[in-house]
Amino acid sequence: AIQMTQSPSSLSASVGDRVSITCRASQDIRKNLGWYQQKPGKAPKFLIYAASTLQSGVPSRFSGSGSGTDFTLTISSLQPEDFATYYCLQDYDYPLTFGGGTKVEIK
Amino acid sequence: QVQLVQSGAEVKKPGASVKVSCKVSGYSLTELSIQWVRQAPGKGLEWMAGEITAQKFQGRVTMTEDTATNTAYLDLNSLRSEDTAVYYCATGLVGLDYWGQGTLVTVSS
Repeated sequence: AIQMTQSPSSLSASVGDRVSITCRASQDIRKNLGWYQQKPGKAPKFLIYAASTLQSGVPSRFSGSGSGTDFTLTISSLQPEDFATYYCLQDYDYPLTFGGGTKVEIK
Repeated sequence: QVQLVQSGAEVKKPGASVKVSCKVSGYSLTELSIQWVRQAPGKGLEWMAGEITAQKFQGRVTMTEDTATNTAYLDLNSLRSEDTAVYYCATGLVGLDYWGQGTLVTVSS
C-alpha cells in the first residue's frame, strides 16, 4: 500500500499568516492527490483535486502544488474559518490512503 | 447536487455486526463509486472500502447496494472496541466531493 506522510502534524498560526502543509507519498502517484479540510464534528470538505485544481467554491487563498511524491497545500492568508484539520488523500491506487492530518490552530 | 444521508448512531456489543446505510439523492447509485471511510475518536481518517476492501477489513466488511432505493450499505461484523468510530460514506467524480454526515458506531459491553 502507498504510504502518505503528512507534516507537520500540527501548527500554530495567526490570522493573515501564510501556512504550508506537505504530504509525501512512498511511491510516485503522479498528480493523483486531493486535500480535505475537516472541522470538529463535521464531515471532511473537499478542497483540491489532481494536486492543484481548486474544487468549485473553494476560496482562492487555498492552493496546491506538486507531483510524483511531494505535494504541498498552501493557505496564502489564514482566515478564522480556516482553523481546522487538513488531510491529503492519494487516489492513484487502491487501497486509498490518507495522510495523518495537520491540525491548524490559532496562535 | 449529490446528497448522501446516513443512518443513525448505533451501539453494539463486541462480536456483533452493524449495518450502516447511505442513501444517495441527486444521482444514480449505479453511476457512482461509494467509498467508506472511518474515524476513531480523536484520530485521523481511515479508508475502509470502495472498489476493493482494505486488507485490514477483509473478511469482516461487506458492501451492498440497493438500486431500487439508491442506497448503499456497509456491513461490519465481529465488532471489537477498536471499531468504535464515525463511519462515513463518500463519493465524487474527481475525488471525494460528497460526504454523508457520518454514523457513530459505539462498540461496548
